[in-house]
Order: sequence, then C-alpha cells, then structure tokens
Amino acid sequence: DIVMTQSPDSLTVSLGERATVNCKSSQSVLYSSNNKNYLAWYQQKPGQPPKLLIYWASTRESGVPDRFSGSGSGTDFTLTISSLQAEDVAVYYCQQYYSSPYTFGQGTKLEIK
Amino acid sequence: QVQLQESGPGLVKPSETLSLTCAVSGGSISTTNWWSWVRQPPGRGLEWIGEIYHSGNTNYNPSLKSRLIMSVDTSKNQFSLKLSSVTAADTALYYCAREANSSLAYWGQGILVTVSS
Repeated sequence: DIVMTQSPDSLTVSLGERATVNCKSSQSVLYSSNNKNYLAWYQQKPGQPPKLLIYWASTRESGVPDRFSGSGSGTDFTLTISSLQAEDVAVYYCQQYYSSPYTFGQGTKLEIK
Repeated sequence: QVQLQESGPGLVKPSETLSLTCAVSGGSISTTNWWSWVRQPPGRGLEWIGEIYHSGNTNYNPSLKSRLIMSVDTSKNQFSLKLSSVTAADTALYYCAREANSSLAYWGQGILVTVSS
C-alpha cells in the first residue's frame, strides 16, 4: 500500500494569513503516460462529509474558491490557502488515487489563531 | 447534480453482517465512473473500503477483502456493501461516493454504524 503522511497534524493560522498543509507519499503517484499526479485534497468540516477541493494535485474542483491551490509532483505535495477565512476551519486530507487501495493521509486540523 | 444517500441498520451485533445501500439520484449509476465506500471511525481519519463499476467489477481494500462483498443494482440505481464478521473495530461513519477525475467528487452524508451487542 502507498502510505500518505501529512504534516503538520494540526495548524493554527491567523485570519488573512497563509496556511500550508504538506502531504508525502511513500512512492510516486505520478503516472508517466499522461504526466498526471493522482493526488486529491479534501476538506471536512464537523458533521459533514469530505468535500473535494483539488484533483490531479493542482486542478481546483468547480466552485472551490481560488484561495485554495495545490502543488507538487511525484511524492511531495502541498495544499495552500492563500488568505485564511473563518469558514476554512476544517480537517484537510490528501488521498492518492494512483494505486489501490486508494489511501488517505491522517488529516491536518486547521484552526484559527 | 448527482446525489447519494446511504441507508441501512445503525446497529449491528458482533460477528454479524453489516449491510448498507447507497441510492444514486440525479444521474445514472451506469456511467464511466466507479462507485466507492469510505469509512471513518468516530474521531478518526478516512479509510477507503472499495469500489464497484456498474458492470459489477469490484476493487477491494485488501485489509477487508476477506469479509467484503459489493454489488450493484442498475435497475434500482443503487449499489451495496456487505461486511461480514463485524467487530467493534468496524464501528464507523460509512460514506458512499462517486469517483471522477481520479478523486471522490460526490459524497453521501454518511451513516453511522455501531457494532455492539
């Protein structure tokens, strides 16, 4: 199985500041035939199902605010929230879709300072 | 807009079989997408359980494979999960979801299943 490791486990950021969540996979999730990284990011607020934010490592899902961005390739990935809003308080997960089982990171809890 | 809704018993006894169904609305289950189950123990992270295609092809998490059966009913536009020989470790919020662009783009609200006598 591909192990996904997120850092940090929790993060406290002031409103309007940048928040960065990292995700590292135990092996590359870059599919060479199409040059796509099979890495997705989700946001989960309390009492709600996860919501897809980013797929293919950097493609924003329709309707997701442009303050959310994804970057990285191979084994190292980053989710960045450029200017933190109060509604961004949530747990964030990365998931690899490169090979089954499609494993998730352990989650990063984002709070407001 | 595709919508998914999980249903099934909220309480299952140890050693018995957990059975859940996911009803799909707003679109056909017979699309070029896979349909997944994901679970989340209370206060913990997400675990991908497995997926099924409308043809009936399946892909299971090896950690659960020996106890897991997924099926699809295209006439009812729904898919199902059966997990046998459950223990307290199977207590979780169970979500159904639809794959798109190699990610889980649509999710149900989830159903809490507790394993307890």
